[in-house]
Order: sequence, then structure tokens, then C-alpha cells
Amino acid sequence: GAVVSQHPSWVICKSGTSVKIECRSLDFQATTMFWYRQFPKQSLMLMATSNEGSKATYEQGVEKDKFLINHASLTLSTLTVTSAHPEDSSFYICSASGGQGREQYFGPGTRLTVT
Amino acid sequence: SQQGEEDPQALSIQEGENATMNCSYKTSINNLQWYRQNSGRGLVHLILIRSNEREKHSGRLRVTLDTSKKSSSLLITASRAADTASYFCATSGSARQLTFGSGTQLTVLP
Repeated sequence: GAVVSQHPSWVICKSGTSVKIECRSLDFQATTMFWYRQFPKQSLMLMATSNEGSKATYEQGVEKDKFLINHASLTLSTLTVTSAHPEDSSFYICSASGGQGREQYFGPGTRLTVT
Repeated sequence: SQQGEEDPQALSIQEGENATMNCSYKTSINNLQWYRQNSGRGLVHLILIRSNEREKHSGRLRVTLDTSKKSSSLLITASRAADTASYFCATSGSARQLTFGSGTQLTVLP
């Protein structure tokens, strides 16, 4: 089946620094990748949708200058949290899709803690 | 994106009992999916039901969909301790994005 990996699985960083999270589709080409954020005991909230080779589309209320998304290839998307603050601490999950109408496959998530 | 509502928020049952979770949504959909999430882990896809389907089975899982009421239910029969997890419904409309429900935390006691 389709496998999506995320790296790192967890990261702790100091306030004010930037953190990059990678999302890779291991055995299929992902034309579209999605980034979600999940706070403790809450549901997943879509942050942005990225298509390979084009700019990401951000959901309302998500700062595009703070959460930089790059989808440079059909197997890799990155989310960079810039100038991280404690309130950015969350579980970040990506998903990848092979195209229109295709199922989304989820990565295992990255736990970010900002101290 | 607006979330759907799931109820109950939390459910605790004994091993062997059946567990039923409900999901309501607001907009028209192409399909509805159910996912499981163990604590601190990623999502596991359980089952997808299309808008023109009313019921679907997969092993111990039974999903129903009532588009007139904009609601779905997930039934897990003969539950096991390993079924302990959070369960989310997610709807997909004309756009490709998934809109997740608020989730049900299921605890199956041995």
C-alpha cells in the first residue's frame, strides 16, 4: 500500500528558532500534499494544500509567512515553522494524494514542542 | 474548514460489547471516511463510504450513511482492548480536502 513518512517524528526547539518538517511519499507520486495541525485532544485542522511545483493554498487564519510550505518534487513536501513560539507546539500531520479523486495517505505525524 | 460533530465525545465499554459512534456534517459530500488514531500516532484509514451508498461492512466494522440527515455511524462489533483509540469521521466534497469531525475517544476495558 501507499506509504507516507514524516521526519522528524518529534522535535524540541527553542522559542524564536525555525523548524523544518519533511513529508515523503515513499512508493507513489504525490501531486498533492496536505498539512494538518492537531492540538491535544482535538481533531485535525487543515492548514494548507500544496500541489507539486506551485504555491500552497492556505486555510483561513493560517499565516503563510509563518508556516512555509514547499512542494518541490512529487515525493517531498516540507513545512517550515518560522520563529516558532510555544503556542506553535502541536502535532503536525501530512497526507499525500496521487491526484484528483485519489485517496489521501497520512504520515505518522511530527510532535513539535517549542520551549 | 468547518468540522462536523461526533458523539459521543468519549465512550467506555467492556471487551466484547459493541461500540457505536455517530458523525454529523454540514455540507453535501462525495464520500465519508472513518479513521482511527492511537494516542500520539498517525491516522489509520478504516473505511470509505460513497454518497450513493447506505451501508458498508469491513470485518468487524459497519458504517451507515444517511445523506438526508447528513449523518453517519460507525459500529465496531465484539470490541477488543486493542480497539481503544480515537475515531474520526472525515468528509470530502467537490474539493479534495478532508474535513474532520471532532472525534470520539473509545476505551475498551479488558
